[in-house]
Amino acid sequence: DIQMTQSPSSLSASVGDRVTITCRTSQSIKTYLNWYQQKPGKVPRLLIYAASSLQSGVPSRFSGSGSGTDFTLTINNLQPDDFATYYCHQTYSVPWTFGQGTKVEIK
Amino acid sequence: EVQLVQSGAEVKKPGESLTISCKGSGYSFASYWISWVRQMPGKGLEWMGRIDVSDSYTNYGPSFQGHVTFSIDTSISTAYLQWSSLKASDTAMYYCARRTGISAAGFDLWGQGTLVTVSS
Repeated sequence: DIQMTQSPSSLSASVGDRVTITCRTSQSIKTYLNWYQQKPGKVPRLLIYAASSLQSGVPSRFSGSGSGTDFTLTINNLQPDDFATYYCHQTYSVPWTFGQGTKVEIK
Repeated sequence: EVQLVQSGAEVKKPGESLTISCKGSGYSFASYWISWVRQMPGKGLEWMGRIDVSDSYTNYGPSFQGHVTFSIDTSISTAYLQWSSLKASDTAMYYCARRTGISAAGFDLWGQGTLVTVSS
């Protein structure tokens, strides 16, 4: 199974900050990497698919990069609505796996 | 409207059976895979497995193989997640989500979730 390691597990940031979350996989997954946002009590929302493609309707301050085993989610100009938990997710090979999540909190 | 609508919350006792549902509408149901995702209280997302709506081919995550069963009724665009004998540790929120079967796509549409509580 492909292991997903997200870092950090949590971070504190201020409105307007640039935030970077990383996801490392135990073997190459090419660009089969997605990012989701989940707010407390809410359904996960797809932000980025195929490592760097912005899902329709997602603000352009979100971006993704990477390939192989190392991936990054970047949030530019952090907004109050962005405080949430973020998960990476690989669909390269079954079992598809999620990272453990990164909680972005208000500083 | 394109949506996945899940059945309502359930409260069950250990050892009981349960089936929850996920109904698609507003899109070609057979063109997507349906995955099931578990989220235990206060924890992260866990992929349980997937079913190909077009032929009912399934993959199960190793933690779920043998404990749950996925099925499809294409005539009513509905996917099902079934337990034959629930455990207290099955208490969680369960989501269905769709993904196209081609390319490096993500889960672009999710159901609203079904909360399952298993308690004696």
